[in-house]
Amino acid sequence: LTKTTQPISMDSYEGQEVNITCSHNNIATNDYITWYQQFPSQGPRFIIQGYKTKVTNEVASLFIPADRKSSTLSLPRVSLSDTAVYYCLVATDWGNTDKLIFGTGTRLQVFP
Amino acid sequence: EAGVVQSPRYKIIEKKQPVAFWCNPISGHNTLYWYRQNLGQGPELLIRYENEEAVDDSQLPKDRFSAERLKGVDSTLKIQPAELGDSAVYLCASSSRKIAGGNTGELFFGEGSRLTVL
Repeated sequence: LTKTTQPISMDSYEGQEVNITCSHNNIATNDYITWYQQFPSQGPRFIIQGYKTKVTNEVASLFIPADRKSSTLSLPRVSLSDTAVYYCLVATDWGNTDKLIFGTGTRLQVFP
Repeated sequence: EAGVVQSPRYKIIEKKQPVAFWCNPISGHNTLYWYRQNLGQGPELLIRYENEEAVDDSQLPKDRFSAERLKGVDSTLKIQPAELGDSAVYLCASSSRKIAGGNTGELFFGEGSRLTVL
């Protein structure tokens, strides 16, 4: 069972870059790291997924060091609409039981 | 393309009453998940289906919770009888294949069904 650890909350201001780091010390060789975003009264929404090094899409970047024991979600120039909870997941596969484990997430508050 | 559809969005019931939630996944998605999310917490997996087969229900409280996905498409989650502690948001998600190990992909979530048990 791969457990992830993230900061409970973070504050930022509009226009700043936000980096949220997640620890996953027991990540397995084949596991991918995925980040989701959740707004109030909505289900989580996929942001980005990666295995190693750096992945970038139109929304965010994901940095994964060589040992893969942590990952950092980077949100460039945040706006008020980026206020949400961000979850780091590691897809864990053991036996015939697969789980996508959501932690408590990081609550990001963006101020004007 | 329609996303994952859930109903009802909100439900308020008295304790000991039954309640059911319905989910229609994205067309063609064989894998369906039911999650429960308590206030301030991340979603917790209750059950996962591959087509019509429940392949992981280890976290489903089977004394009062049941689920079905008879034709491998839409699904129903039932609670009978409901308890005060069941108040939560029940989320349904679907994916085109199993997400684990070396399989990449994403979960598509519905907006959830918020249950309040009085």
